[in-house]
Amino acid sequence: AQSVTQLDSQVPVFEEAPVELRCNYSSSVSVYLFWYVQYPNQGLQLLLKYLSGSTLVKGINGFEAEFNKSQTSFHLRKPSVHISDTAEYFCAVTLTSGTYKYIFGTGTRLKVLA
Amino acid sequence: GAVVSQHPSRVICKSGTSVKIECRSLDFQATTMFWYRQFPKQSLMLMATSNEGSKATYEQGVEKDKFLINHASLTLSTLTVTSAHPEDSSFYICSARGAGVNTEAFFGQGTRLTVV
Repeated sequence: AQSVTQLDSQVPVFEEAPVELRCNYSSSVSVYLFWYVQYPNQGLQLLLKYLSGSTLVKGINGFEAEFNKSQTSFHLRKPSVHISDTAEYFCAVTLTSGTYKYIFGTGTRLKVLA
Repeated sequence: GAVVSQHPSRVICKSGTSVKIECRSLDFQATTMFWYRQFPKQSLMLMATSNEGSKATYEQGVEKDKFLINHASLTLSTLTVTSAHPEDSSFYICSARGAGVNTEAFFGQGTRLTVV
């Protein structure tokens, strides 16, 4: 079975500072990896995804993530955050075959402080 | 990316009544649709997976008679919460995926259900 761990439930950071949101996964088979952002009372918006190829993935809004197979991690980073980045961030995995159902981490609340 | 429309965005219903939530893929054929439930400040919990024309596959602990899922066409899936109770109040999110390898799922905007 697959699982996703987001160790940080909340991350406060000052505006224009860099941020890293951590994600570790567990799977005995190949997976695809995703980061989503959720604003209050809204659905999920895809930030970026890793399917194959380059391990450094760039997404929208200046976010990037690096897939590290040996450490089974897919940490999300942004060099300079804005107030508008305040939201809930979810890491997710899905199998590369079969039902493709998504398994989500518990989420990290990013709070950007002025 | 592709668009998934979920309706209604908010609904309030009386205890004991049923409520239907629709999930539509607007610009692609959704061979698979997923329904999630999200409690306040928690992650998304997969409720069921449905393939067009087939019965839904429910996750362990989800009552199939309580949460009826229909995926009758390649662009529409519905979730009906039957005999709703206050504990069914939650945020429900659908996602839809097209056929093929490497195709990602796209998410609806969610439905806030409040049972009073």
